[in-house]
Amino acid sequence: KAGVTQTPRYLIKTRGQQVTLSCSPISGHRSVSWYQQTPGQGLQFLFEYFSETQRNKGNFPGRFSGRQFSNSRSEMNVSTLELGDSALYLCASSLAFDHQTDTQYFGPGTRLTVL
Amino acid sequence: AQSVTQLGSHVSVSEGALVLLRCNYSSSVPPYLFWYVQYPNQGLQLLLKYTTGATLVKGINGFEAEFKKSETSFHLTKPSAHMSDAAEYFCAVIELTVSGNTPLVFGKGTRLSVIA
Repeated sequence: KAGVTQTPRYLIKTRGQQVTLSCSPISGHRSVSWYQQTPGQGLQFLFEYFSETQRNKGNFPGRFSGRQFSNSRSEMNVSTLELGDSALYLCASSLAFDHQTDTQYFGPGTRLTVL
Repeated sequence: AQSVTQLGSHVSVSEGALVLLRCNYSSSVPPYLFWYVQYPNQGLQLLLKYTTGATLVKGINGFEAEFKKSETSFHLTKPSAHMSDAAEYFCAVIELTVSGNTPLVFGKGTRLSVIA
């Protein structure tokens, strides 16, 4: 069974631009979560989607948004990029919404560099 | 709100030596605890998790962790380090609330180096 796929793996943008990152979950998984990983702040939760509905949202500005499609694939968008948005963006998928029983499987991440 | 503290951002051990990575959590209710490992240029892989039941949890690659409620700790151990264990390790917690589970809250991570 294929794992979580994230595209692109690497991305370079300039300040003020916007970017869209894509995540394809493991087949059959309906929950997708996004995390931002930086050396200074570590791993921080962005948002989680289940059955096309946002279930949880982290403490990030409105420039960060996401969505989930009917096939469970998810995208996240960052508008008006800032230097501080440079990070590894990780996507994780799980069968459902219960994180006690449903293991989250992480993708390899998208490395975003903002110049 | 729950939080996780990992003592030591970098731990170095000799090959064959005991690995001990420390994790303490704060939570107002019984937590669900996890250890993840991240190898260079890869995503996170679940090593083990504690939800309920036995407090000593065995995971993959010979790792285990013990939930100690009185110490609010969930330290990760491995009896004998292998070169392939060199990676970054993250402790994480979720807390069951009336509105449902919260997302994973991660510690800052501990980088493990294994010296030949």
